[in-house]
Amino acid sequence: EVQLVESGGGLVKPGQSLRLSCATSGFTFGDYPMTWVRQAPGKGLEWLGFIRTKDFRATTMYAASVKGRFTISRDDSKGIVYLQMNGLKSEDTAIYYCSREKYQVGDYWGQGTLVTVSS
Amino acid sequence: DIQLTQSPSTLSASVGDRVTITCRASHTVFNWLAWYQQKPGKAPKLLIYKASTLQSGVPSRFSGGGSGTEFTLTITNLQPDDFATYYCQQYNSYSYTFGQGTKLDIK
Repeated sequence: EVQLVESGGGLVKPGQSLRLSCATSGFTFGDYPMTWVRQAPGKGLEWLGFIRTKDFRATTMYAASVKGRFTISRDDSKGIVYLQMNGLKSEDTAIYYCSREKYQVGDYWGQGTLVTVSS
Repeated sequence: DIQLTQSPSTLSASVGDRVTITCRASHTVFNWLAWYQQKPGKAPKLLIYKASTLQSGVPSRFSGGGSGTEFTLTITNLQPDDFATYYCQQYNSYSYTFGQGTKLDIK
């Protein structure tokens, strides 16, 4: 069974950093690109970025809203994808989801982890 | 970035109804469009990709159509489990973007 479990969320102050993890199981992690999406409270979905597989040098793409502040990385040996978030702002408050990409869309998603940025 | 506009924003319907949600793109996305369903407190669920390809396990009462800049998600014979929020997403060009969502509620 494919499973994705996010962790690392919590309450942080503006300007601080946080690293989210997405632990996966049930599939060959290294064969799939992985994506991060967030959802602010009561709002819609926002695509943040993704990381390709090692076959494509694990290159990344980011939304303009987070480029330069957020970094996606992966550890294929552990089946984990990470989202490093620096310089957090109040508008980064959201539930953060990871998803597995198949045919360029998210076919499996985690349950999400809540990040709250507040002083 | 390509903007996606869904209409309507809210839709009221009854069990057994047929409903259609529209997603319009600011520039062509060819057929690189997906539809997701999301229920409160849950992660999105992929329904359709490449505009009209039904994801494995999704009931056939869901169907997608369109290409270029105008797309539709149609649900026939609405079931109680279908009342949720629906999002379209384009993946033709970065940044991939989502529509603002359409909430389907019970009339």
